[in-house]
Amino acid sequence: QSALTQPASVSGSPGQSITISCTGTNSDVGGYDYVSWYQQHPGKAPKLIIYDVSNRPSGVSNRFSGSKSGNTASLTISGLQDEDEADYYCTSYRHTSSLAFGGGTKVTVL
Amino acid sequence: QVQLVESGGGVVQPGRSLRLSCAAAGFTFSTYAIHWVRQAPGKGLEWVAVISNDGSNKYYADSVKGRFTISRDNSKNTLYLQINSLRAEDTAVYYCARQKEGAGPWALDIWGQGTMVTVSS
Repeated sequence: QSALTQPASVSGSPGQSITISCTGTNSDVGGYDYVSWYQQHPGKAPKLIIYDVSNRPSGVSNRFSGSKSGNTASLTISGLQDEDEADYYCTSYRHTSSLAFGGGTKVTVL
Repeated sequence: QVQLVESGGGVVQPGRSLRLSCAAAGFTFSTYAIHWVRQAPGKGLEWVAVISNDGSNKYYADSVKGRFTISRDNSKNTLYLQINSLRAEDTAVYYCARQKEGAGPWALDIWGQGTMVTVSS
């Protein structure tokens, strides 16, 4: 059982927006603004797409955005494209000096 | 080119030991904390350990504490993961990943391609 809870799957049609949730506790998501999101295509290494809740690394599309409310963080993908079909993972720093991962969400573009 | 390249994986019998390596290139290795993250076949990502830039601080996931040791040699631009008393549940792809500079703990901005460890008799 993962430390952070994500939906197993989310789907949407091209051009639509989807949101993936990531729920933790006061000891991780709710206690720090240190949530990151990663995109992983099959057989590939993860790629950082959001850090510190809502910041995008250089080169990452502005169709990806992040937010947080209480113990739940969210990743929104707007203008869904075929290339967005992948697994997405959230992480959060934890008070025990560790890193918690979500279980991952498979995004399907219909 | 900024990159991390893992090596050392393979098929190992339960109870044996293995040392993974992660060679860095294209950046000043000695100024970055580096993590190990693993992914069992068909499963999600699991954080394993982190080591500070100078090796003075190390933190581990509870699931590996006592069996795994993270270390680094900044003169060789190389990170290591010593795994002892291997178990079937250690079977996974092991990634090394760089901690992003200028971000809060612990965003990982550069990842290696991973090395597969299979524990089987």
